[in-house]
Amino acid sequence: EVQLVESGGGLGQPGGSLRLSCAASGFTFSSYAMSWVRQAPGKGLEWVSAISGSGVSTYYADSVKGRFTISRDNSKNTLYLQMNSLRAEDTAVYYCAKDPNTSGYYGFDYWGQGTVVTVSS
Amino acid sequence: ETTLTQSPAFMSATPGDRVNISCKASQDIDDDMNWYQQKPGEAVIFIIQEATTLVPGIPPRFSGSGYGTDFTLTINNIESEDAAYYFCLQHDNFPLTFGGGTKVEIK
Repeated sequence: EVQLVESGGGLGQPGGSLRLSCAASGFTFSSYAMSWVRQAPGKGLEWVSAISGSGVSTYYADSVKGRFTISRDNSKNTLYLQMNSLRAEDTAVYYCAKDPNTSGYYGFDYWGQGTVVTVSS
Repeated sequence: ETTLTQSPAFMSATPGDRVNISCKASQDIDDDMNWYQQKPGEAVIFIIQEATTLVPGIPPRFSGSGYGTDFTLTINNIESEDAAYYFCLQHDNFPLTFGGGTKVEIK
């Protein structure tokens, strides 16, 4: 059974940093691209970042480019999102999500339950 | 960036109704469209891939249609358990983008 469990959310200061983690199980983690997706309170979904299975290729939304870094440790089956220079508008539930295919980027077939990030002083 | 315009934002249906949810892309995205269901407190469920393919395990009352810029999610004989938030996603190009979502209420 595929499981994606996010952690690391909480209260962050404006200008501060947080690191999110997503522990994956139930599939060959290194074979699939992974993404982070967020949902601000009362808003729709926003894709944040994606990373290839090998970790070589990464992609970012313009809203986080230069501030957030996606990475993965395939030996630990874990996905990360390093969030720096936090802004109030980064407040959201952050989900990790798995690509359904082993090549390319085809959206997501499994999502985690999400971790809440609140940016406030 | 591909903008997805999803409509309606809210709909109320009676059990047994057929429900159609539209998602229009601002540019041609072939069949690179997925549909998802989200219920409060539950994980997001993948229901339609590549515009028309029903994800295994999803009830056949769900179906998807469309190609290029116009896509539709149809729920036939809607049931009370289908009350949820539905959204579309395009994966043709980065940034991946979502429709604004549709909240479906069952009377």
